Amino acid sequence: AAGVIQSPRHLIKEKRETATLKCYPIPRHDTVYWYQQGPGQDPQFLISFYEKMQSDKGSIPDRFSAQQFSDYHSELNMSSLELGDSALYFCASCTSGGYNEQFFGPGTRLTVL
Amino acid sequence: AQSVAQPEDQVNVAEGNPLTVKCTYSVSGNPYLFWYVQYPNRGLQFLLKYITGDNLVKGSYGFEAEFNKSQTSFHLKKPSALVSDSALYFCAVRALSGGYNKLIFGAGTRLAVHP
Repeated sequence: AAGVIQSPRHLIKEKRETATLKCYPIPRHDTVYWYQQGPGQDPQFLISFYEKMQSDKGSIPDRFSAQQFSDYHSELNMSSLELGDSALYFCASCTSGGYNEQFFGPGTRLTVL
Repeated sequence: AQSVAQPEDQVNVAEGNPLTVKCTYSVSGNPYLFWYVQYPNRGLQFLLKYITGDNLVKGSYGFEAEFNKSQTSFHLKKPSALVSDSALYFCAVRALSGGYNKLIFGAGTRLAVHP
């Protein structure tokens, strides 16, 4: 079965650089979530999209932005990177409806040097 | 505010023995609860969920969870642990926000199954 695809899997950036993370949801999933998991931490919700519109916003810094495109893939854009942005970034997708479980991608490991 | 608590950082169990990973929740309204497992350098894999109905929920890989409303708990269980079950386990609750189901995770419990 198709799973959530994230690219790149690993990314190394310098401070103050920008990064773009991509997420391709499971086919027919219309909702995408982004989570950030710091070392030894639980995943923290950043932002979500439903039908290409932002549906909710969590603890996402103003330096970050995201969008969902017409093919339902999503991109997380991160600017002015800081050392503290080093983390595992997960994308999850599901069909709309409060009961549906989210399916997570393998994550993008971002290291900021 | 909705939250979940996993009181144990780590659970150690011998292979073949039953295991329990604890989770308690705090929600307003009906709880929608989930368990996920994370292997090293991997994404989170869905194990099971409780929405309504039977208090005992069966999930993947032989895991099950018992929903207890009076104790506000949703403990993950398995009758016989395998070494391959060793991983990080997260309990999560759906957080209502405009009708969209972002997940609020517990801190995670590391399960170590010893041969």
